[in-house]
Amino acid sequence: DAGVTQSPTHLIKTRGQQVTLRCSPISGHKSVSWYQQVLGQGPQFIFQYYEKEERGRGNFPDRFSARQFPNYSSELNVNALLLGDSALYLCASSPRDRPFYSNQPQHFGDGTRLSIL
Amino acid sequence: DAKTTQPPSMDCAEGRAANLPCNHSTISGNEYVYWYRQIHSQGPQYIIHGLKNNETNEMASLIITEDRKSSTLILPHATLRDTAVYYCIVRVLIYNNNDMRFGAGTRLTVKP
Repeated sequence: DAGVTQSPTHLIKTRGQQVTLRCSPISGHKSVSWYQQVLGQGPQFIFQYYEKEERGRGNFPDRFSARQFPNYSSELNVNALLLGDSALYLCASSPRDRPFYSNQPQHFGDGTRLSIL
Repeated sequence: DAKTTQPPSMDCAEGRAANLPCNHSTISGNEYVYWYRQIHSQGPQYIIHGLKNNETNEMASLIITEDRKSSTLILPHATLRDTAVYYCIVRVLIYNNNDMRFGAGTRLTVKP
């Protein structure tokens, strides 16, 4: 079975540009979360989506936005890129088989490495 | 902020058991303990999780102390491919909360 897939794998942008990252969850998974991982640190939570609605947001500026589509895939958008946005962006999916509470683990893709020049 | 404390690094001999500790002294009754690992340039890989009972799967065992303030991840026969950063995470299950709060983790190096 295919795992979480993310595209592109690598991306180079310049300051002030905008970027869109894409994620396809594991088949049957309805919840998607986005994380930012700066070099040398653990992943930091950005967003969580379930059934196309935002269900959680981390401490990130409004330049970061996301959406989830009817097929449960997701996009992360970052506007007005800064040098500090250079990071590995990870997507994770989980089944969310119980409506609101689930201890099912999240499964991660291998990320998109974004470099800002 | 991460609610766990892990040693920054550990070494283990190939073929021996690797025991990775995690302190979560402020854990609440409804918080689960999750372990993930991240091999260089890959996304975090789920290993195991538990609430209060010890758990075992094909990858590892999770031992949680009776007071739930600490836990140990055990890789029974470490191989060179187990070299990775291991993250211990406590996660509360409440409505609309599905995020994982990662700390800095433990860098495990398995040596031949």
